[in-house]
Amino acid sequence: EPEVTQTPSHQVTQMGQEVILRCVPISNHLYFYWYRQILGQKVEFLVSFYNNEISEKSEIFDDQFSVERPDGSNFTLKIRSTKLEDSAMYFCASSELGVGDEQYFGPGTRLTVT
Amino acid sequence: AQTVTQSQPEMSVQEAETVTLSCTYDTSESDYYLFWYKQPPSRQMILVIRQEAYKQQNATENRFSVNFQKAAKSFSLKISDSQLGDAAMYFCAYRADQMNRDDKIIFGKGTRLHILP
Repeated sequence: EPEVTQTPSHQVTQMGQEVILRCVPISNHLYFYWYRQILGQKVEFLVSFYNNEISEKSEIFDDQFSVERPDGSNFTLKIRSTKLEDSAMYFCASSELGVGDEQYFGPGTRLTVT
Repeated sequence: AQTVTQSQPEMSVQEAETVTLSCTYDTSESDYYLFWYKQPPSRQMILVIRQEAYKQQNATENRFSVNFQKAAKSFSLKISDSQLGDAAMYFCAYRADQMNRDDKIIFGKGTRLHILP
């Protein structure tokens, strides 16, 4: 069964460093999402992406964040200058048809900022 | 703005027994989707069950069923014959329907379910 994959599973970085989290959505999916879960808290929407542009973003998704689909298979989330409060689990999701269609989640990347 | 509330941070149930997890939500929309996701210790988000608001019939998926009360904006999850593998964090979630261009999922804070052997 096709699945969303994410790398790395765990990333440790120092405050102020740039990180790139990678996701490979399901191959025929066109809509991509990032969500974040700070430890012990609920999962929060960050951004949705379609047709090489951001469809919607939350208040959390400020200028420190960017997303990109650099090739036909990867979908990345970049945090330019990490802060301690960026430590969280980051989930990528994808769907085939977007609005109204199922979103399939990846296993997540645990980001630890020290 | 839509919100999802789970009032039970933790629950425990004896193996083979039945447990019900509560969820309420708030929305001004008439059509939407509701979900229960399971997050085991591996942290993967797994869809357990889905309910379309326009359907009166409660969704069921094997041992999992929901009690959807649209007027009360309530969406509880019942797990029958609980198994050790059901131990996880369970998130109730909401998403607008396909006529609304907003397709982000809004999650509750979760209920941690413990299964007692």
